[in-house]
Amino acid sequence: NAGVTQTPKFQVLKTGQSMTLQCAQDMNHEYMSWYRQDPGMGLRLIHYSVGAGITDQGEVPNGYNVSRSTTEDFPLRLLSAAPSQTSVYFCASSRSQAQKKLFFGSGTQLSVL
Amino acid sequence: QQQVKQSPQSLIVQKGGISIINCAYENTAFDYFPWYQQFPGKGPALLIAIRPDVSEKKEGRFTISFNKSAKQFSLHIMDSQPGDSATYFCAALETSGSRLTFGEGTQLTVNP
Repeated sequence: NAGVTQTPKFQVLKTGQSMTLQCAQDMNHEYMSWYRQDPGMGLRLIHYSVGAGITDQGEVPNGYNVSRSTTEDFPLRLLSAAPSQTSVYFCASSRSQAQKKLFFGSGTQLSVL
Repeated sequence: QQQVKQSPQSLIVQKGGISIINCAYENTAFDYFPWYQQFPGKGPALLIAIRPDVSEKKEGRFTISFNKSAKQFSLHIMDSQPGDSATYFCAALETSGSRLTFGEGTQLTVNP
């Protein structure tokens, strides 16, 4: 039982490049979400999903896309990377939308030059 | 605009002392208030949580105090230990919604 797995752990991009951050969970959780963590700003919600085929925007969705074709996977796509997207990204999941307990992955540190 | 305000940003406490972290919120629809603990290089993990129908919840050395009228809640760590050194996040949720909102985080250092 691996929990929430994020890949890659580190990534360096050039401005304008695109990439996908991968997230998978093996707990059959309905709810999955993506957060970015920046110093002094806490964790800010980017996108979330309450089940396969259902996604919605969080607090800071601009520049990011998501899809949820299976219960297990919730990839985050950066369409055209910008330096402002330099951050640590966390994927999280919980059994239900009620989010009594969020399980987080170990994060992806992204630098955009 | 931060819906959950957390203070202090950083905190240094001696071993055996009490660590206190405070949070305030505006949205009266919030009805679930968890605290998460994050060690360097790791994702946050749930530490303790409270609902607004109780004023205090204790789990071991960790206590949440909740003041509904003031829209404030705080985390108290009794007998703080060097192993408690981590970043702590308060959060708030409308259980009818889907967005868990986090505070800015507090970096706690417990000196031996």
